[in-house]
Amino acid sequence: QKEVEQNSGPLSVPEGAIASLNCTYSDRVSQSFFWYRQYSGKSPELIMSIYSNGDKEDGRFTAQLNKASQYVSLLIRDSQPSDSATYLCAVRGSNYQLIWGAGTKLIIKP
Amino acid sequence: NAGVTQTPKFQVLKTGQSMTLQCAQDMNHNSMYWYRQDPGMGLRLIYYSASEGTTDKGEVPNGYNVSRLNKREFSLRLESAAPSQTSVYFCASSPGEQQGLTTDTQYFGPGTRLTVL
Repeated sequence: QKEVEQNSGPLSVPEGAIASLNCTYSDRVSQSFFWYRQYSGKSPELIMSIYSNGDKEDGRFTAQLNKASQYVSLLIRDSQPSDSATYLCAVRGSNYQLIWGAGTKLIIKP
Repeated sequence: NAGVTQTPKFQVLKTGQSMTLQCAQDMNHNSMYWYRQDPGMGLRLIYYSASEGTTDKGEVPNGYNVSRLNKREFSLRLESAAPSQTSVYFCASSPGEQQGLTTDTQYFGPGTRLTVL
């Protein structure tokens, strides 16, 4: 059974600090990795995708991938109250499917 | 460009009733998906369609059927609703395989909140 694991949280971070979200996966051959944000009562929206080992930066967001250790992380710099949401990690499985973690709830405290 | 649209937004059914959830995308995507999301849980795949004319079971297909009507539309049918099917249902699409390149990024509709009494 291929799995994606995330700490359910909630993770509480002060405004302006760095929020660090982590995700581990079990399928060694996975090649595509995604972070989605989901506000309460809304649908998931893509934040970032990453395919190669290392860091990928987009504005305040940085995704980090380490295939050898089978983890992917998301850093949010200068956290804002509007970043409060549940963050979903997804990993490509077989046959065009994504395997989803249960999500980490992030709370940014003003 | 509306992206992925779903109807209805809300629905209340009685046990044993049937209904069809509609999904359409205008992004010329090949692949489409139906998920359910229950409180505190991640997304669970019900059915997916890798390309027009094909459908496959996901993790939790029991009690559901799907139809890929054309490239744009992918419907989900509950033949005899049960309280265990109370959930939020999301439709998603992704480019899939196009011109020899596979793109997995999925784009979601706004969801349907279904309650079965």
